Amino acid sequence: DTAVSQTPKYLVTQMGNDKSIKCEQNLGHDTMYWYKQDSKKFLKIMFSYNNKELIINETVPNRFSPKSPDKAHLNLHINSLELGDSAVYFCASSSAKTGVRGGYTFGSGTRLTVV
Amino acid sequence: AQRVTQPEKLLSVFKGAPVELKCNYSYSGSPELFWYVQYSRQRLQLLLRHISRESIKGFTADLNKGETSFHLKKPFAQEEDSAMYYCALRGNTGKLIFGQGTTLQVKP
Repeated sequence: DTAVSQTPKYLVTQMGNDKSIKCEQNLGHDTMYWYKQDSKKFLKIMFSYNNKELIINETVPNRFSPKSPDKAHLNLHINSLELGDSAVYFCASSSAKTGVRGGYTFGSGTRLTVV
Repeated sequence: AQRVTQPEKLLSVFKGAPVELKCNYSYSGSPELFWYVQYSRQRLQLLLRHISRESIKGFTADLNKGETSFHLKKPFAQEEDSAMYYCALRGNTGKLIFGQGTTLQVKP
C-alpha cells in the first residue's frame, strides 16, 4: 500500500497547456503539501492544506491552483504552462496533532517537462 | 526567520571513511530538525529526527543549540549511502523548510 501516491509520474507537455497533478494519502494525515524541486535540486514549499483549508501559500504564480476535495487528496492544477515550470513536484502529508507531529511522508514525485 | 544552511553541495569520500554532512539553522524558538535522504530519482525518505535520538543505517545526528547545528555523521561510509541528503527544520507554523541539499558520493 503506497502511503502517498501521485499521478502521473511523468508529464511532458507543451508551453501554454493546462495540466493537473493528483495526490492521495492513506495515512489519515490532516495536512498535505506541494513542494517543487528545481533543476538544482532545491526543495521549496508551494502550498499546504489542513483539513481542506489552505494554510500556507508561498509566493507562487497564480497560474498554480491547488484543490483539496477532502483531507486525503490535494491536487495541483497549472494553467498556461511555462518552460520554467519544468521541475519535479512532490506531494507530502503530515499530522498536525499534538504529540503525533513528526516528519512528512513524501510521494514519489511528478517529473514535469514543459517543451 | 527560519533558515537551514547546508554549506557543502557535494561531499565525496571513499568507502569506509567517516562522513559528516553539515547543517546549520536559524530559528528563534525550539525547532524540530530532520534529515531526509533522496536516492537517485526516488522519493524523499525520512532518515532521522532529533527528537527520536535514533541511529538509522549507522547515521546519527545531534542537535547543538549553542552552535545551532544538526550535523549528520556516520563512522564508516558505504557505497549504498550515495544519495542527496537534506536537512530540514519545522517551526511552530508546521512548515518544513529544507536546506539546499548535499550530494554524498561514496567511492569504492
